[in-house]
Amino acid sequence: TQLSQSPSFLSASVGDRVTITCRASQGISSYLAWYQQKPGKAPKLLIYAALTLENGVPSRFSGSASGTEFTLTISSLQPEDFATYYCQQLHSYPLTFGGGTKVEIK
Amino acid sequence: EVHLVESGGGLVQPGGSLRLSCAGSGFTFNDYALSWVRQAPGKGLEWVSAISGGGAETFYADSVKGRFTISRDNSKNTLYLQLRSLRAEDTAVYFCAKDQTYHDLVSSYSLDYWGQGTLVSVSP
Repeated sequence: TQLSQSPSFLSASVGDRVTITCRASQGISSYLAWYQQKPGKAPKLLIYAALTLENGVPSRFSGSASGTEFTLTISSLQPEDFATYYCQQLHSYPLTFGGGTKVEIK
Repeated sequence: EVHLVESGGGLVQPGGSLRLSCAGSGFTFNDYALSWVRQAPGKGLEWVSAISGGGAETFYADSVKGRFTISRDNSKNTLYLQLRSLRAEDTAVYFCAKDQTYHDLVSSYSLDYWGQGTLVSVSP
């Protein structure tokens, strides 16, 4: 299953609402996760089962789903949110990741 | 607290071999499937391989099938990845990661814990 993630690059300001989209090439139900990765660090789980916020993740992060289109929204971008974000499907093997979205400071 | 710690990376020549290890703690190791994920310098994440909790079932990405072998020793709480016939394009940081929910390689919800990664460099 291929995942098409967009945009690949996003420039935004602190306080902005940010939306990242991930489209699956076939149905994957809700078997989708979102991760945040900062340079030199391992990915950190943000959202699992497409909609569920991981424990300890700020509530400004949210996930939504409609068919094969999935969205990660950051309601009010904070300085610590500047990072690269990846979606991943865990519906079937081989597992796949989206290409990533780098969120940079405007 | 869950911890995953990778080791075994290094510089190797094309065609060479290497074995990576991932030591787990803070959870019941044999209750969970585990994966290897890699990231080439400046690139995105690529899933490499997965193994079920008991070790009976494995999956591989096409890019490594026939060259890499995943295994685990549940008595030592350790996951392995044997890398053979290495190529320049295998140069990457290799992460191990734990399935959030399941023992078996079935549809799941996330990889909830990750190690810090170990760097494999393939160069003459």
